[in-house]
Amino acid sequence: QKEVEQNSGPLSVPEGAIASLNCTYSDRGSQSFFWYRQYSGKSPELIMSIYSNGDKEDGRFTAQLNKASQYVSLLIRDSQPSDSATYLCAVNRGLGYKLSFGAGTTVTVRA
Amino acid sequence: DGGITQSPKYLFRKEGQNVTLSCEQNLNHDAMYWYRQDPGQGLRLIYYSQIVNDFQKGDIAEGYSVSREKKESFPLTVTSAQKNPTAFYLCASSIGQGQETQYFGPGTRLLVL
Repeated sequence: QKEVEQNSGPLSVPEGAIASLNCTYSDRGSQSFFWYRQYSGKSPELIMSIYSNGDKEDGRFTAQLNKASQYVSLLIRDSQPSDSATYLCAVNRGLGYKLSFGAGTTVTVRA
Repeated sequence: DGGITQSPKYLFRKEGQNVTLSCEQNLNHDAMYWYRQDPGQGLRLIYYSQIVNDFQKGDIAEGYSVSREKKESFPLTVTSAQKNPTAFYLCASSIGQGQETQYFGPGTRLLVL
């Protein structure tokens, strides 16, 4: 079992719709969770971090965390063509420094 | 401007050659990391350093070496022992208290001639 798994994609959504990305993780001791956006050929940039169960909203982005079910999700509301990218889920390993990354979900927003 | 710089942007390696990738940060972060990204895959941790003069192997350290002589700098050497070095190499840094956000440099793309 992979440490972090994401829905494989690619995910194609019309402009203005909601894009929903899911991520599950295997380490029950994980406490910190991150979503990064990566444009083609570029490095990852942080979208959201979440540490507590529930929802966290930042503009058009909402991260949801459920530690009991070991999943974290990202919703992108009012999707724009500029949201077209690969989204990486990252989970902290226990209490340490290391992150485990999922393979990413590629999102395409069609105009 | 605070940030992380990596150089070069592209690097070509010949068979049997060692090459060194540079990573510098002026964020005053204690922790630094090196990742490798292959097409369609997530990032895999090569080495990380929590403090100057100390570093730890990550998940795929074989064929790589690092040093951490200065807080700002964490160079990665890809040795000839690394048989499949073609990848996108990403350097990251974080404050150094554990579990915090990691910030990434722009990356170096390594190609084998």
